[in-house]
Amino acid sequence: GAGVSQTPSNKVTEKGKYVELRCDPISGHTALYWYRQSLGQGPEFLIYFQGTGAADDSGLPNDRFFAVRPEGSVSTLKIQRTERGDSAVYLCASSSTGGERNEQFFGPGTRLTVL
Amino acid sequence: AQSVSQHNHHVILSEAASLELGCNYSYGGTVNLFWYVQYPGQHLQLLLKYFSGDPLVKGIKGFEAEFIKSKFSFNLRKPSVQWSDTAEYFCAFKTGGGNKLTFGTGTQLKVEL
Repeated sequence: GAGVSQTPSNKVTEKGKYVELRCDPISGHTALYWYRQSLGQGPEFLIYFQGTGAADDSGLPNDRFFAVRPEGSVSTLKIQRTERGDSAVYLCASSSTGGERNEQFFGPGTRLTVL
Repeated sequence: AQSVSQHNHHVILSEAASLELGCNYSYGGTVNLFWYVQYPGQHLQLLLKYFSGDPLVKGIKGFEAEFIKSKFSFNLRKPSVQWSDTAEYFCAFKTGGGNKLTFGTGTQLKVEL
């Protein structure tokens, strides 16, 4: 039983570059979440997908951040014109459905470093 | 704005000592409460959760937490810690009807032999 997987595990990029981070949820899970964890902080919500659509993107910090989930499974978080402040661990989670009582299962994260 | 406060950032205990980690949330409505744990080198995993009913909930590995609504608190406890409990612990909540988790800043627990 595979859990949530994320690739790459580490990404180093230069300021101003574009990056894509991938998340593979648990098979059959319709809900998918992205969080960002900065050093010394807890995870902060970015965006929530129910199926293919973004049901809540209120946590995206600005229009440089965008996420897609075109077939309702794999999701990609895209960051344009990266800034040093974007350096963080980006976590993906999935749950069987959305809702307040469904457990979210987390992946190992992608550590993004912007030089 | 909704938020979670974890009062202790670093806790060091000897094996067999009792543990209590504080958690207070800021939100006026219905909440669903969670404690997550992250062991060294591993990903976040659920320790326990509270939705409704008995405010004392039990989770894995002997952990328990008590929801005190009047204090907006959900403190985590364990009567006797083990070296293997060394980890970072995060308190979190979802609002009633909500989907996203709001996390605290975490407490790093180190248990010494």
